[in-house]
Amino acid sequence: QKEVEQNSGPLSVPEGAIASLNCTYSDRGSQSFFWYRQYSGKSPELIMSIYSNGDKEDGRFTAQLNKASQYVSLLIRDSQPSDSATYLCAVNVRRLIFGTGTRLQVFP
Amino acid sequence: ETGVTQTPRHLVMGMTNKKSLKCEQHLGHNAMYWYKQSAKKPLELMFVYSLEERVENNSVPSRFSPECPNSSHLFLHLHTLQPEDSALYLCASSQVPDRYTEAFFGQGTRLTVV
Repeated sequence: QKEVEQNSGPLSVPEGAIASLNCTYSDRGSQSFFWYRQYSGKSPELIMSIYSNGDKEDGRFTAQLNKASQYVSLLIRDSQPSDSATYLCAVNVRRLIFGTGTRLQVFP
Repeated sequence: ETGVTQTPRHLVMGMTNKKSLKCEQHLGHNAMYWYKQSAKKPLELMFVYSLEERVENNSVPSRFSPECPNSSHLFLHLHTLQPEDSALYLCASSQVPDRYTEAFFGQGTRLTVV
């Protein structure tokens, strides 16, 4: 079992819709969880961090964490074409472990 | 400069060459990382330095040799690489010990081995 799993996509959503990105992790000792956005050819950029169960909102982004289910998600409201990128889930278990990323495509 | 800076941004090298990648962080962090990103593969953690001491080495071939002279600088020395080593090499930094620590990345070095 992979330590951090994501659907590679692509996930295609129309402009203005909600994009839902999901991630599962295997180590129950994981303490902190991050979402990074990576545009093609660029380095990952941190967009959200979450440490406790529940929701955390920042602008159009909402991160959701459920430690019992070992599940973390990212919702992007009012998706824009500029949100088209690969979204990487990362879990901190003594060091950061990344998933393969989900490619999001937002079409006009 | 601010953040994490990597040089060079692009590098093409032959299999018999020796080159070095450089990373410098201006965030006051005390841990630095090398990641490798190959096409359609997750980010692979290569090395971790915490307080200038190597704390993790993930079975990386010896043709990759890291060096961390101080908490702000990290190098990756390359020699006799193979074409499959072509990838994006990313440096990151964070603050330890802190289980909630976030990592910030440099722009990466796109390496092509010919």
